[in-house]
Amino acid sequence: EVQQVQSGAEVKKPGESLKISCKGSGYTFTSYWIGWVRQMPGRGLEWMGIIYPGDSDTRYSPSFQGQVTISADKSISTAYLQWSSLKASDTAMYYCARLTCRDGTCAFDYWGQGTLVTVSS
Amino acid sequence: DIVMTQSPLSSPVTLGQPASISCRSSQSLVHSDGNTYLSWLQQRPGQPPRLLIYKISNRFSGVPDRFSGSGAGTDFTLKISRVEAEDVGVYYCMQATQFPYTFGQGTKLEIK
Repeated sequence: EVQQVQSGAEVKKPGESLKISCKGSGYTFTSYWIGWVRQMPGRGLEWMGIIYPGDSDTRYSPSFQGQVTISADKSISTAYLQWSSLKASDTAMYYCARLTCRDGTCAFDYWGQGTLVTVSS
Repeated sequence: DIVMTQSPLSSPVTLGQPASISCRSSQSLVHSDGNTYLSWLQQRPGQPPRLLIYKISNRFSGVPDRFSGSGAGTDFTLKISRVEAEDVGVYYCMQATQFPYTFGQGTKLEIK
C-alpha cells in the first residue's frame, strides 16, 4: 500500500527554525517526485515545490523560492520541508504528496495526512 | 504562471442531482509532448486532498464512476452525475503542464 506519512503538528515562535518530514512507503521512493503544498487557514491549495529523491533535483515555486528548503534522504525514504526563520504568516497546514509523471500523466496521486505548523509569539 | 480559474466558487446541490464545475486556464495546458496535465482533486472537510481525475478524464483508483472529467486546451469540466452526501467538500483543478504547477481557487460543493 502506497503511503505518505508526515510528522506531527508543531508550535513554534517567530524566528525559530523548523524541519518537517514526509516518509514514503509501499513504492520505490527514488523513482517518484515528492511535492509540498501549503494550505493557509480557510484558504486553498498552493504548490510550493517538488524534489526527485533519486538525484535530489528540486523545483520551487517563485513564491516560495528562498523562503523554504526542500530536501530528501533516500536512505530512509523521507522528504523534508524546512524553514530557517519562521514568520507568523507561515502558519498553515502543509501537505506532501507523491507526484506520478509517467505514461502520459502527471498528478499528485498519494497525499500525506498533513502537518499543522503554528507560529505564534 | 498559469492562472487556473474555477467557477462557480460555491455550488449548492440537491442530493441525487448533477453538479458541474468549470476550470479555465490562462494558457493552453497542452504540453510540448502532446499531453495535457490537468487533474481534479477533492478535499472533504478536515481531510487531505484526494486525487479524483488525472489527464483530463481518467478516474483514479477507487473513484466512483459518477465522477467524470472532460475538456481540452484551456477549458475543463468536472461533472458529478448524481451528488451524494459524501461528495461535500472543496474541489480543485490543478495543472502540471508548466512550472510552477498551479491550482484553481477551489469550488465548495454543498448540499441544499
